[in-house]
Order: sequence, then structure tokens, then C-alpha cells
Amino acid sequence: GAGVSQSPSNKVTEKGKDVELRCDPISGHTALYWYRQSLGQGLEFLIYFQGNSAPDKSGLPSDRFSAERTGGSVSTLTIQRTQQEDSAVYLCASSSPGRGPYEQYFGPGTRLTVT
Amino acid sequence: QQQVKQSPQSLIVQKGGISIINCAYENTAFDYFPWYQQFPGKGPALLIAIRPDVSEKKEGRFTISFNKSAKQFSLHIMDSQPGDSATYFCAASRGTGGFKTIFGAGTRLFVKA
Repeated sequence: GAGVSQSPSNKVTEKGKDVELRCDPISGHTALYWYRQSLGQGLEFLIYFQGNSAPDKSGLPSDRFSAERTGGSVSTLTIQRTQQEDSAVYLCASSSPGRGPYEQYFGPGTRLTVT
Repeated sequence: QQQVKQSPQSLIVQKGGISIINCAYENTAFDYFPWYQQFPGKGPALLIAIRPDVSEKKEGRFTISFNKSAKQFSLHIMDSQPGDSATYFCAASRGTGGFKTIFGAGTRLFVKA
């Protein structure tokens, strides 16, 4: 079946502009996660959704970052007034309670470059 | 308390050799310890995982060794192949209070042919 998809695959934006990153999880996966991966670094947890609610937003680095999930499926990560330090690969993952909430399946990521 | 420390940062192994990557955690609330493999331009993919009630898990050439008292776990790749060249991340998850996963910083493995 289809895996986790993310769009766009690459995004170049000017400093100060807003960007939206999209994640389509695997069908039926109720949990969805956003991570940020800076060049050569590990994965930084941003936010976790269970259904449409976000019980854990602790990783969002500032109030310029927000995320929503609708219909228990698609999620959008929005970064307002982008800064150069926001440049990174943004990864989305989903998991299914049926296979344990821990087994996360990752999308290919969106590479964001802020110029 | 939330950190997962991973070493080494990079590793070069001859084909057929054993690759060993180590991780240490602090929070005893973690109850699931996966390893992910990431190739350039791709998202991480789950490789193998272990729960703290087991000291070792083996899947093919990949083995996790887990030491609960020391709060350490390691990945062993036996008979390493050039196709194993990738970045490996250890991680720790906990089920209570949400399913947050904390990742190590990653190890770049290069297997020389």
C-alpha cells in the first residue's frame, strides 16, 4: 500500500515569508508526528497528533510554528515569518495502534531552504 | 532526562566486519527502543526494535543488545555490507503521556568494499 507522502519535496522561500508543509499519513494510521532534521543532525521532535488533537506540542520551537490535522488524516505544518535557522528537512511519520503506537513510518521529508 | 546519547558519530568498517553503535538513555520511563536506518534523501525506516524486558533481539544480521541496569543499548551489524552504508539512529519512546520518541544524533556508517 501507499506509504507516508509529503509535499512539496523541496521548498525555497525568502526570509519572512510563510510556508505550509503537507503530510498524508498511511490510511488508517491514527497517530501522526512531525520532526525536524537539520543538516547532519538527528531528528528533533516537533508535535504529535492522536486523531485530530495534539496532546504533545512541546517540541514546537516558537510560536511561529503551528500544525493542524483534519479528518484524522492530512496534517499541515505552518511556519510563519520564516527565518534562516528554519532551514532543515521536515519529516512526518505515522503509526497505527494496531501495530503498536511506537512503530513509526516516515515520509521522504520536505527540504526547506530559507534564503 | 530526555536525552538519548549515541556514539560514535561516524564509523568505517571493512566489508564482512562487525559494526557496533552504542546508545545510552536517562529516563527510565522509556519502554521501547527502536533503531532506524536512513539513506540519503530518504526518511528513516524502522530496522529493529526492543522492549526493556528483553536483553537481546536478533533479526538477520542485525542484533540489539539491551542493558537495562546500565540504561544502554547497542546495535550490532554482523557481516557488514556496502549496502549497509547509511545513517543509523537509535531512539527511545514511552507510551504514557503520549508517544514521544527521542532520537540519538545518528551514526554515519560507511562499509568499505
